[in-house]
Amino acid sequence: QSALTQPASVSGSPGQSITIFCSGSSGDVGGYNHVSWYQQSPGKAPKFMIYDVSIRPSGVSDRFSGSKSGNTASLTISGLQAEDEADYYCSSYTRSTTHVVFGGGTRLTVL
Amino acid sequence: EAQLLESGGGLVQPGGSLRLSCAASGFTFSSYGMSWVRQAPGKGLEWVSGFSGSSSSTYYADSVKGRFTISRDNSENTVYLQMNSLRAEDTAVYYCARPVYADYYYYGLDVWGQGATVTVSS
Repeated sequence: QSALTQPASVSGSPGQSITIFCSGSSGDVGGYNHVSWYQQSPGKAPKFMIYDVSIRPSGVSDRFSGSKSGNTASLTISGLQAEDEADYYCSSYTRSTTHVVFGGGTRLTVL
Repeated sequence: EAQLLESGGGLVQPGGSLRLSCAASGFTFSSYGMSWVRQAPGKGLEWVSGFSGSSSSTYYADSVKGRFTISRDNSENTVYLQMNSLRAEDTAVYYCARPVYADYYYYGLDVWGQGATVTVSS
């Protein structure tokens, strides 16, 4: 099962908005509304940020939002803050036998 | 508050075995499926193994199939990952994680442990 495709890095200045894309296929991202996003700071466990494409778990800032169009999901962070600097991973349900696949991760730098 | 705590990591020689444990607390463990996810040094997340809450079926990534075995002990609120025939490429931090939908290990993982480090080297 091939990993979902994410840009290696994105950057933005405080207060700006950025979007991280996660590209898959009709067998995963495009075919199901079960895309999740995780934030991981250095040396820490991943933190659950978005599930089912656009649902924010309790406690996650509303500056984080998710969406999907075709085979590509996206995570948008508005009002960028220094604390948002981290690695971000998408994952999706997939019809393969493993049923789950991750993206390669995107490093967000807040300038 | 739901919590997961991994243990059992360490240094092992290639070809050796190791068993990771993940102790759960703060939720009804027996109702949930679980997943193991690993992260090699400087690399991304890789799903390794999982099972659904209501099924005895287990699932594995191709990279570990036939070498790793996931199991659970509901009386101990613990999930295990038995790792045999370990290779250098299995070196990683191993996380256990709980699914946001109890019965489905693949629809998003909302609670993660702190991770257990496994190093395979001679």
